[in-house]
Amino acid sequence: GAVVSQHPSRVICKSGTSVKIECRSLDFQATTMFWYRQFPKKSLMLMATSNEGSKATYEQGVEKDKFLINHASLTLSTLTVTSAHPEDSSFYICSAGPSGGGYEQYFGPGTRLTVT
Amino acid sequence: EDQVTQSPEALRLQEGESSSLNCSYTVSGLRGLFWYRQDPGKGPEFLFTLYSAGEEKEKERLKATLTKKESFLHITAPKPEDSATYLCAVLLGYSTLTFGKGTMLLVSP
Repeated sequence: GAVVSQHPSRVICKSGTSVKIECRSLDFQATTMFWYRQFPKKSLMLMATSNEGSKATYEQGVEKDKFLINHASLTLSTLTVTSAHPEDSSFYICSAGPSGGGYEQYFGPGTRLTVT
Repeated sequence: EDQVTQSPEALRLQEGESSSLNCSYTVSGLRGLFWYRQDPGKGPEFLFTLYSAGEEKEKERLKATLTKKESFLHITAPKPEDSATYLCAVLLGYSTLTFGKGTMLLVSP
């Protein structure tokens, strides 16, 4: 149980284009989902908290107009990197916890974004 | 400032050589402490949640313990497949996790 999927697993895009990453909870409903970014050999940095049916809450220093988050249903959140640049290249990971459950967060497999 | 510090940064063990990983934290109002395992190029895999000092949890060769200032992840008789990065995270507020930088474990046969 508590499986989270992400799509795509890898994406390469050209500078200036936008990329959408999907995060799905497969066997549970999640009122809240989280988006993280991870640089090589570094820990996970929380980018934003995604709440179903409302606006996402962004961490300090994260540009909300660049990283658009939509949480349209209890099983799907999307992260769109707009006008991507090489410095946006990173490993993006989402997580979710079952609504009404404990505080555990279950992570997706991650998406490797490379901007050329 | 709330902080989570993991040590050592890297650990190399021989198969069967037991050891412990440390996660120390300086936070106010800890609501929970989590251990995850992360393999290269993959998302973290949930291992344990600890909520109060004195609590212990076990899973196969892993045992996690919690005090008021730190948590230990004990690995008993590790196998090569235990090689991974082990992440510690603390729960602040209602849902936000703050992660340590992790301990990279390599178990040689």
